Amino acid sequence: GAVVSQHPSWVICKSGTSVKIECRSLDFQATTMFWYRQFPKQSLMLMATSNEGSKATYEQGVEKDKFLINHASLTLSTLTVTSAHPEDSSFYICSANHRVNTEAFFGQGTRLTVV
Amino acid sequence: QKEVEQDPGPLSVPEGAIVSLNCTYSNSAFQYFMWYRQYSRKGPELLMYTYSSGNKEDGRFTAQVDKSSKYISLFIRDSQPSDSATYLCAMSYGGATNKLIFGTGTLLAVQP
Repeated sequence: GAVVSQHPSWVICKSGTSVKIECRSLDFQATTMFWYRQFPKQSLMLMATSNEGSKATYEQGVEKDKFLINHASLTLSTLTVTSAHPEDSSFYICSANHRVNTEAFFGQGTRLTVV
Repeated sequence: QKEVEQDPGPLSVPEGAIVSLNCTYSNSAFQYFMWYRQYSRKGPELLMYTYSSGNKEDGRFTAQVDKSSKYISLFIRDSQPSDSATYLCAMSYGGATNKLIFGTGTLLAVQP
């Protein structure tokens, strides 16, 4: 199957700082990538849809100024958590579709801890 | 009412048992149905992918979709301790963005 790489796999940062998470499709081009957040023992909640060359589409309740998404190329999307707070601590996961109407492949996830 | 309902478990079975995992959904517009396996602190791994109704088999795994009942299932035959994980159902309307809606996940433990 297609490979999606996410980096870093874990990060600890101080409250008030910003953290950037990268999501790369290694062996295919992804015009659309998705960013999810998962709290312990809960399911994945879609945060935003990232479209190459255009602005991301955010789900209701997700602050676009806090969670900055950039999809600069067909193989890379980044999520920047700005002015992080302890309540932002979570597991962040990206996914990319191999082709239109086909299955999504997920990255390994990033465990963010804000102290 | 959630769009996708899934029993969170936990479900504990002995090694070799047949496991049945299920999800129900409310929106008949869903066209694509998937099952993902997620180990602790890892990203989800796609197990099965089905378009519309019917059955699909892959090794020890069988996925069933009954659109008339808005009900999907994943069966695992000859379960192994390595199958212990959280199993997430997901579905989408299709289209260019293909946004997925996930169930809460079922935690499965296969006892040796």
